[in-house]
Amino acid sequence: EAGVTQFPSHSVIEKGQTVTLRCDPISGHDNLYWYRRVMGKEIKFLLHFVKESKQDESGMPNNRFLAERTGGTYSTLKVQPAELEDSGVYFCASSQGARWNDEQFFGPGTRLTVL
Amino acid sequence: QKEVEQNSGPLSVPEGAIASLNCTYSDRGSQSFFWYRQYSGKSPELIMSIYSNGDKEDGRFTAQLNKASQYVSLLIRDSQPSDSATYLCAVNRGGNTPLVFGKGTRLSVIA
Repeated sequence: EAGVTQFPSHSVIEKGQTVTLRCDPISGHDNLYWYRRVMGKEIKFLLHFVKESKQDESGMPNNRFLAERTGGTYSTLKVQPAELEDSGVYFCASSQGARWNDEQFFGPGTRLTVL
Repeated sequence: QKEVEQNSGPLSVPEGAIASLNCTYSDRGSQSFFWYRQYSGKSPELIMSIYSNGDKEDGRFTAQLNKASQYVSLLIRDSQPSDSATYLCAVNRGGNTPLVFGKGTRLSVIA
């Protein structure tokens, strides 16, 4: 079974540009999460989809971040316009959602550098 | 107060020894507790989950949970150089709620 995949693995952009990150969860997983780790800090939650609906977006830092999950399959996270403080590693995770104690499986992350 | 605290390390142990990793959390509503292992530049990999007080063993790994003390630990027996990685403690309120992570403890197993 394929794991969570993310694209691109690295992205280097200039301040003010737009970047779109993509996540493909494990097939059949209804729950999809975005997390971010900025340098020197812990991994922090951004938002949670259940199928195509946003269940919790309390971790989104501001309105420059837009996440979508059309059709309840893959998800995109767009940053527009990017700022220096957006640099970090963006992780996607998925879980099946069928049990109370479902475990989240992580993708390899996208390393975003904003210059 | 940080929500999940871990000693950042590095924790160095000789090959074959027991490595002990500790984690405390502040949210008393936490229901599920996880240990992830992360090699440099790779994704966090789930190695243990624990939901009730006591010990849970899986191979060389034992997770321990004490909800009264808000404390979770991970013991790695017969440590191997391949265990050298950053170990992340994560908790959530159960169900499909977001994970809250500690900063991680870097473990180095010396051959």
